[in-house]
Amino acid sequence: DIQMTQSPSSLSASVGDRVTITCRASQGISNSLAWYQQKPGKAPKLLLYAASRLESGVPSRFSGSGSGTDYTLTISSLQPEDFATYYCQQYYSTLALTFGGGTKVEIK
Amino acid sequence: QVQLVQSGAEVKKPGASVKVSCKASGYTFTGYYMHWVRQAPGQGLEWMGWINPNSGGTNYAQKFQGRVTMTRDTSISTAYMELSRLRSDDTAVYYCARSRTYYYDSSGPYYFDYWGQGTLVTVSS
Repeated sequence: DIQMTQSPSSLSASVGDRVTITCRASQGISNSLAWYQQKPGKAPKLLLYAASRLESGVPSRFSGSGSGTDYTLTISSLQPEDFATYYCQQYYSTLALTFGGGTKVEIK
Repeated sequence: QVQLVQSGAEVKKPGASVKVSCKASGYTFTGYYMHWVRQAPGQGLEWMGWINPNSGGTNYAQKFQGRVTMTRDTSISTAYMELSRLRSDDTAVYYCARSRTYYYDSSGPYYFDYWGQGTLVTVSS
């Protein structure tokens, strides 16, 4: 299976900060990467897919980039409602989908 | 609007089986693949497998093969996930999630655009 390694596992940031989360795949995944946001007690919510395509209704302060094995999620100006846990997911290997371990974004 | 509504919480003893349902509405149930993802308390997300609601074809993560069965009832737009030989480490919230994968195109994409609310399964003696 393709292993997805997210970093950092947690971070503290203030409202208005620029935040970057990294996801590294154990092999190339050709931009077949999605990002999700999960708040406590809730189901994950799709933010981006195909590494950089914003899901409908998601604020433009969220963006994604990367290629090959390395991908990033950037929040340009952190808002109070953005404090949550973020997960990446590869879908290059269609018979074995895998998630990163998650990044918890906390209030500084 | 698309909705996935799951069955309620379950408490099971080790060795038992559990069957969780996921009722879809707001779209053509047979049109898109359905997946199951679980999350142990305080842990990350773990994909379990998918079902093509149109054909009934399935694909399970290797970790769960032999213990998981995914089925569907197209007459009531409902998908099911049954996990057998439960252990304490199967205690988790189980989610159904739709992927934007048309039933006729198994090449994908396999990211999840709609999720159920989750079903807590507790395994305890």
